Amino acid sequence: NAGVMQNPRHLVRRRGQEARLRCSPMKGHSHVYWYRQLPEEGLKFMVYLQKENIIDESGMPKERFSAEFPKEGPSILRIQQVVRGDSAAYFCASSPRAWGTNGYTFGSGTRLTVV
Amino acid sequence: DQQVKQNSPSLSVQEGRISILNCDYTNSMFDYFLWYKKYPAEGPTFLISISSIKDKNEDGRFTVFLNKSAKHLSLHIVPSQPGDSAVYFCAASLDNTGNQFYFGTGTSLTVIP
Repeated sequence: NAGVMQNPRHLVRRRGQEARLRCSPMKGHSHVYWYRQLPEEGLKFMVYLQKENIIDESGMPKERFSAEFPKEGPSILRIQQVVRGDSAAYFCASSPRAWGTNGYTFGSGTRLTVV
Repeated sequence: DQQVKQNSPSLSVQEGRISILNCDYTNSMFDYFLWYKKYPAEGPTFLISISSIKDKNEDGRFTVFLNKSAKHLSLHIVPSQPGDSAVYFCAASLDNTGNQFYFGTGTSLTVIP
């Protein structure tokens, strides 16, 4: 039973390029969450999605960032025109339902470095 | 605005002794609290949780205590083992849907053999 799969594990982009981060939730999980961890900080909520729907994007920067969770395939976090401040670890998590009493299951993260 | 705070960035404990990790929060509306454990280059792993209607929850060597009046929770690990060495994050949620958790900045625990 594979866990939450994120790829790539490491991603290097030059300023101005686009970054696409992928997340495949655990089997049977239809709720996906994206969090970002900046250096020396805790995880910060970005967005919560269910299949084909964005439920809560209150943590997403207003510009350059978008997320989707299509009917088929992984969830994608897309960052356009990356800047150095986007360098962080991006974690995806999934759960079988919105009730999170046992928390989420996190993936191992994608470490984005913008040079 | 950091609503969940872990004021100790690091903690060292001898193997076999008790580890106490602390967490404070500012929002009295938080309803659910969790602790996560994180190893380097891995994602956080759920450890233990507590609802605001309780003041204690225990799971094996791990116990979480909640003091709502003080807006404080703590994680006790007894006895501490070298494999417990990791970064521990506390997190809080505003309701029972778990849509969004507010994380602290983490405490790095080192258990010395």
